[in-house]
Amino acid sequence: AAGVIQSPRHLIKEKRETATLKCYPIPRHDTVYWYQQGPGQDPQFLISFYEKMQSDKGSIPDRFSAQQFSDYHSELNMSSLELGDSALYFCASSRRGESPLHFGNGTRLTVT
Amino acid sequence: QQQVKQSPQSLIVQKGGISIINCAYENTAFDYFPWYQQFPGKGPALLIAIRPDVSEKKEGRFTISFNKSAKQFSLHIMDSQPGDSATYFCAASIGGSEKLVFGKGTKLTVNP
Repeated sequence: AAGVIQSPRHLIKEKRETATLKCYPIPRHDTVYWYQQGPGQDPQFLISFYEKMQSDKGSIPDRFSAQQFSDYHSELNMSSLELGDSALYFCASSRRGESPLHFGNGTRLTVT
Repeated sequence: QQQVKQSPQSLIVQKGGISIINCAYENTAFDYFPWYQQFPGKGPALLIAIRPDVSEKKEGRFTISFNKSAKQFSLHIMDSQPGDSATYFCAASIGGSEKLVFGKGTKLTVNP
């Protein structure tokens, strides 16, 4: 069965650089969620989109932005990267009202 | 403030034993309680989930027990196997396909 696809799997950036993470949800899923997971931590909700509109916002820094496109894929844009942004970034998708969240395998971002 | 409190932080069990992980929540609006299993370098994968209208749900070796009055739920893994060694997260949401609030996770090690 198709799963949530995230790219890239690994990303190394320097401080103050920008990064773009991509997420391709499971077909027919209309909702996308972004989570950040620090080392040994639980996933923390960043932001979500439903039908291409932002539906909820969590602890996402102002330096980050995200959007969902017409084909339902989503991108997380991160600017002015800081060392503390180093983490695993997960995307999850669901079909609202019908299915639980399914997670991708994440993008490991390392900021040096 | 951690909305979902999970314990223990780590657990070591012998092969064939029972693994028990507990979670407690505060928000009575939560109505969906999934458990996720995460292997290193992978995204969380849905293991089993329960809604407050039932007190227990069993799927194979995995059982969720739910106590609505105490606002607690637990995961029992029967006949634990080395392949079960992973980090387990309990979570809660309002609505099954809405954003999840995770517990801090339990690192389970099953010794051969």
